Amino acid sequence: KNEVEQSPQNLTAQEGEFITINCSYSVGISALHWLQQHPGGGIVSLFMLSSGKKKHGRLIATINIQEKHSSLHITASHPRDSAVYICAVRSGNEKLTFGTGTRLTIIP
Amino acid sequence: SQTIHQWPATLVQPVGSPLSLECTVEGTSNPNLYWYRQAAGRGLQLLFYSVGIGQISSEVPQNLSASRPQDRQFILSSKKLLLSDSGFYLCAWARGANYGYTFGSGTRLTVV
Repeated sequence: KNEVEQSPQNLTAQEGEFITINCSYSVGISALHWLQQHPGGGIVSLFMLSSGKKKHGRLIATINIQEKHSSLHITASHPRDSAVYICAVRSGNEKLTFGTGTRLTIIP
Repeated sequence: SQTIHQWPATLVQPVGSPLSLECTVEGTSNPNLYWYRQAAGRGLQLLFYSVGIGQISSEVPQNLSASRPQDRQFILSSKKLLLSDSGFYLCAWARGANYGYTFGSGTRLTVV
């Protein structure tokens, strides 16, 4: 079993839908990251959080430390949101452990 | 502002040839630097990280090596590439262990 599990692996939705991507982890962590990888491969850091909730534009990330679970939400989804979304956790040292990603496709 | 440069963007190399990928960071000093690899269909994997000049930590034993000759320069090398070295290589930097990451644009390496 991977230390970081994401669901779903693939998600296709219509433009405007509310999107939720989930991340569960099995180790104690000091921080959790959400990353966005576009088709060309470039990666952008969206959020780093260790508790509670963060919001940036249409993106919201939440984390429940007790349940070892985080969610990434996208409101009013748009085709430009199509990308692979990756969850990664830090376990107190320099190492990030990554999930395998959720491929999101938003259809116009 | 801080920027990170990684090159080349794509590379096709024969088996047994050497490799050198370079990453530089501008606009900050003493960054933590990282090399990650993403094999086809798999998640990102940390290869090396460095918290200072000449300080390299290896996470995964393999035929790759890393060096940090200058504060803001991180180099990934191999003396002889294997087919299994193919993948997408990403350099990243962070101010420290509890800070967010900034990733380079990546190098897609195909070993033939």
